[in-house]
Amino acid sequence: GAVVSQHPSWVICKSGTSVKIECRSLDFQATTMFWYRQFPKQSLMLMATSNEGSKATYEQGVEKDKFLINHASLTLSTLTVTSAHPEDSSFYICSGGGMGAIGGYTFGSGTRLTVV
Amino acid sequence: QKEVEQDPGPLSVPEGAIVSLNCTYSNSAFQYFMWYRQYSRKGPELLMYTYSSGNKEDGRFTAQVDKSSKYISLFIRDSQPSDSATYLCAMSPDLTGGGNKLTFGTGTQLKVEL
Repeated sequence: GAVVSQHPSWVICKSGTSVKIECRSLDFQATTMFWYRQFPKQSLMLMATSNEGSKATYEQGVEKDKFLINHASLTLSTLTVTSAHPEDSSFYICSGGGMGAIGGYTFGSGTRLTVV
Repeated sequence: QKEVEQDPGPLSVPEGAIVSLNCTYSNSAFQYFMWYRQYSRKGPELLMYTYSSGNKEDGRFTAQVDKSSKYISLFIRDSQPSDSATYLCAMSPDLTGGGNKLTFGTGTQLKVEL
């Protein structure tokens, strides 16, 4: 079945550095990739929506210069957290949408980011 | 008022019990209704999705949608400790091409005790 492979599953970085998270769609073409953030015991908060080959659309309150999203191909999207700070520590999840995705959307396994 | 309301729990039940999880919503444009299961520190896993009103059954899981009441339910029969997780409802007006965002409930934390 359709799978979204997300890497890394966890990462620790120093404050001020940048971190890149990758999501690859396997066995289907992700025409749209959704990026979410999730705090402990809370629901998923949509950060941005990206369509292949287009600029991402960010939700209100999400800094587009801080959370850089690239969706250059139908199988790869990346989220780069730039100049990370401890308050960026969170669980980040991608979700691919497109023909072949399960129920319309297939989620990655998530990345736990800790900024120290 | 949130578009989708879901009791966060936690909900604790004994093994073998029937579990009922529910969500209400306010946006009448929602046509697709999903239930996801999320284990701690993992991505959500799709359990079931339904279109419009009606029931859908898959093994121990049954999803119900009542659009007239804007109310959806997930029933888990013969609950097992492995069902302990957070259950998220999600909705969308359209899934065509996978381009419409999902609106999530807050998730209900379920614990099935031995």
